[in-house]
Amino acid sequence: GNSVTQMEGPVTLSEEAFLTINCTYTATGYPSLFWYVQYPGEGLQLLLKATKADDKGSNKGFEATYRKETTSFHLEKGSVQVSDSAVYFCALSDLDRGSTLGRLYFGRGTQLTVWP
Amino acid sequence: DAGVIQSPRHEVTEMGQEVTLRCKPISGHDYLFWYRQTMMRGLELLIYFNNNVPIDDSGMPEDRFSAKMPNASFSTLKIQPSEPRDSAVYFCASSFGTQPARDFGPGTRLTVT
Repeated sequence: GNSVTQMEGPVTLSEEAFLTINCTYTATGYPSLFWYVQYPGEGLQLLLKATKADDKGSNKGFEATYRKETTSFHLEKGSVQVSDSAVYFCALSDLDRGSTLGRLYFGRGTQLTVWP
Repeated sequence: DAGVIQSPRHEVTEMGQEVTLRCKPISGHDYLFWYRQTMMRGLELLIYFNNNVPIDDSGMPEDRFSAKMPNASFSTLKIQPSEPRDSAVYFCASSFGTQPARDFGPGTRLTVT
């Protein structure tokens, strides 16, 4: 079946530190991969995505590379800011049998707190 | 574009009462999703609609939960009767076509006492 496993938090960093949040997946087909971000009191926002192996998604200084050989999609940022404090969700989309709609499977989320 | 709109943002009710959550998807989107978020289970898909028709309700926890989409711009999720274990944040999301990304609303935080 399809599933996403991401590192448990919380993750606490100082401003300008390097960030890595690990994400691995299991999928039966050829999934698309996503990172969503949830700021306090808000809904999930799409942060970046990659639709095929070796693609790199990037946005707002965040990057993640679709690694099929290791079934991973780790999120990285070279220098975090206080404003990056949020919960980050890794997700995959794969077609259910007999469906044309990609169903989203989410990881449990990783809380990131950045201190000034 | 106003994005996905949900109301109310917070709801506190007593066990046994009926609760109705509302959602207005992004105009032009033809898929609408209801998710529930809890600490214990994370994000769960409850049900989704395509062109106002329910397609998959296998995530609806039990018969106390029902969802409707009477037109392309409005959907409701109803819980009757509500129980404390229904306390969670309920998200509505919408998308266009079969593209996998979703636009999420801000959520409704439901507390059942």
